[in-house]
Amino acid sequence: TQLLEQSPQFLSIQEGENLTVYCNSSSVFSSLQWYRQEPGEGPVLLVTVVTGGEVKKLKRLTFQFGDARKDSSLHITAAQTGDTGLYLCAGSESLNAGGTSYGKLTFGQGTILTVHP
Amino acid sequence: EAQVTQNPRYLITVTGKKLTVTCSQNMNHEYMSWYRQDPGLGLRQIYYSMNVEVTDKGDVPEGYKVSRKEKRNFPLILESPSPNQTSLYFCASRGFWGQETQYFGPGTRLLVL
Repeated sequence: TQLLEQSPQFLSIQEGENLTVYCNSSSVFSSLQWYRQEPGEGPVLLVTVVTGGEVKKLKRLTFQFGDARKDSSLHITAAQTGDTGLYLCAGSESLNAGGTSYGKLTFGQGTILTVHP
Repeated sequence: EAQVTQNPRYLITVTGKKLTVTCSQNMNHEYMSWYRQDPGLGLRQIYYSMNVEVTDKGDVPEGYKVSRKEKRNFPLILESPSPNQTSLYFCASRGFWGQETQYFGPGTRLLVL
């Protein structure tokens, strides 16, 4: 089983500050997804990165996939209280017609972000 | 509206009493999964199904069963629940390919006494 180490586990910051969440593995993933989860709800997909070195932006959120496709980061600029939530990274194993992976997702432990006013 | 529904949302039961958590999706997705979420451990896959009558174990399958008799439904069965199965459970679905968007249900919070 491939493992994803996500850090930090907890992050408490003031509104307006910048932050970065990291997702690291020793394994190569065919793609990596970032999710956000609010209390009482299921995770919601924010972005999927596929190509090594890819950078995607979603308003104040910037997602990067490492060149070797083993790591990823989520950077939030000028955090707002509405960014508070649990952020999860998930790596998709390479599709393997002869095996059983078929894009199985492996999740990191999650980062609980609290943005204070 | 694309939707994954789970029932019940909350369940308190006692050790050994069989229970079923239902999951249904309206997107005609091939791939469905069950996850459990525990503090500090993230989401761990219990079972998954690539299509009707095709199911396989995930990372933590012990104590659980699933079935996929229809494409839209993927129930999770706990034949003899134990306290270590107290957790938050999520059903999810997506199209066949791994890069497709995965949609999660709202979760079922289970407490086994």
